[in-house]
Amino acid sequence: DVKVTQSSRYLVKRTGEKVFLECVQDMDHENMFWYRQDPGLGLRLIYFSYDVKMKEKGDIPEGYSVSREKKERFSLILESASTNQTSMYLCASSSPGQLNTEAFFGQGTRLTVV
Amino acid sequence: DQQVKQNSPSLSVQEGRISILNCDYTNSMFDYFLWYKKYPAEGPTFLISISSIKDKNEDGRFTVFLNKSAKHLSLHIVPSQPGDSAVYFCAASAGGYSTLTFGKGTMLLVSP
Repeated sequence: DVKVTQSSRYLVKRTGEKVFLECVQDMDHENMFWYRQDPGLGLRLIYFSYDVKMKEKGDIPEGYSVSREKKERFSLILESASTNQTSMYLCASSSPGQLNTEAFFGQGTRLTVV
Repeated sequence: DQQVKQNSPSLSVQEGRISILNCDYTNSMFDYFLWYKKYPAEGPTFLISISSIKDKNEDGRFTVFLNKSAKHLSLHIVPSQPGDSAVYFCAASAGGYSTLTFGKGTMLLVSP
């Protein structure tokens, strides 16, 4: 069974903290993605990566960075957390060659910044 | 600029009836469309997809229809079951090397 695992289900962080969200996939997928989901806004792409050490900005990259040192792991970093980054964060991966194929999502991390 | 629009935030249907979820898009370059289902506190799961060379794709109780001239697609669930209650996201892409653009989602509630 394919699996995308996010390290935390729930996180509470303070404003200004540096926050790391980790994601691991076991499907040997090249493509990995970070989305955030907010009520009334749907899923918005933050960053994606199509290969190790490669990263591309999505639609809302401001305030975030990513790291992909190994194929199976894709980390989202909030450099200085702010309250407007309180959200549900979803990691996904998909098979190589195309970015629009069926993506497999993790269970999500509910981040609250206080 | 919202390129994928799901104008109904919610939909209520009785068990056994048909559920029709709608999605409109504005980007004429979109050529591949997907539907995802999301339960609370879980990640979205892929449901069904359709390429722009087709106008219909069916998988069990789920059928997606694509009307390219109207830039409209719909997901039909027949018959609807209480376990179908979830948020449904429509997504689209413009070619294999573009990422998915998601709509805001429609919450479906199927009552017994």
